[in-house]
Amino acid sequence: AQSVTQPDIHITVSEGASLELRCNYSYGATPYLFWYVQSPGQGLQLLLKYFSGDTLVQGIKGFEAEFKRSQSSFNLRKPSVHWSDAAEYFCAVGLNSGGYQKVTFGTGTKLQVIP
Amino acid sequence: KAGVTQTPRYLIKTRGQQVTLSCSPISGHRSVSWYQQTPGQGLQFLFEYFSETQRNKGNFPGRFSGRQFSNSRSEMNVSTLELGDSALYLCASSPRSGLGVVETQYFGPGTRLLVL
Repeated sequence: AQSVTQPDIHITVSEGASLELRCNYSYGATPYLFWYVQSPGQGLQLLLKYFSGDTLVQGIKGFEAEFKRSQSSFNLRKPSVHWSDAAEYFCAVGLNSGGYQKVTFGTGTKLQVIP
Repeated sequence: KAGVTQTPRYLIKTRGQQVTLSCSPISGHRSVSWYQQTPGQGLQFLFEYFSETQRNKGNFPGRFSGRQFSNSRSEMNVSTLELGDSALYLCASSPRSGLGVVETQYFGPGTRLLVL
């Protein structure tokens, strides 16, 4: 069965510092890969997605993610974090199974941004 | 353009009852997906409807069902409620169906269900 692992439950970074959130998936083929962000004021929002092609994907709010097939990873990065980036981030995997497309989410990483 | 709306926003039910939640997608969007979020199980995909047909589904028991109307509004029904059904239920709308062609996905604020 497909699975998604976000090894960091909680991360704290200083405003202006760079950020990398880790995501590993378990699946034989290349699945669809997503990153979502959830914040109290804005709800859940799709940040970016990867289906195929260029392994470096650009998303909204200055985020990017890189798909590395050899490591089964899809880490989210941002060069300079803003206080408004404090939120919970979810990695998700989608694949075709039994005629349906299913999405599995990771357990999330809570990001705290300190001045 | 109005966003995704969900009604009601809060709901309290007792075990054994049934509940119906509603989701109105962004105008022009024909796909509606439903998700459950709980502290214990996290975010889980329930199902997706497109043009009044269920296109995709997750691993939930048959107590969870849904439907979509011709105006793309969708309802989700949970029968014989259990304590573990207490959750935030989110819906999302997209212009098209399927993981491979979703250009943008917009989420509603959610309905918080408490089962006593």
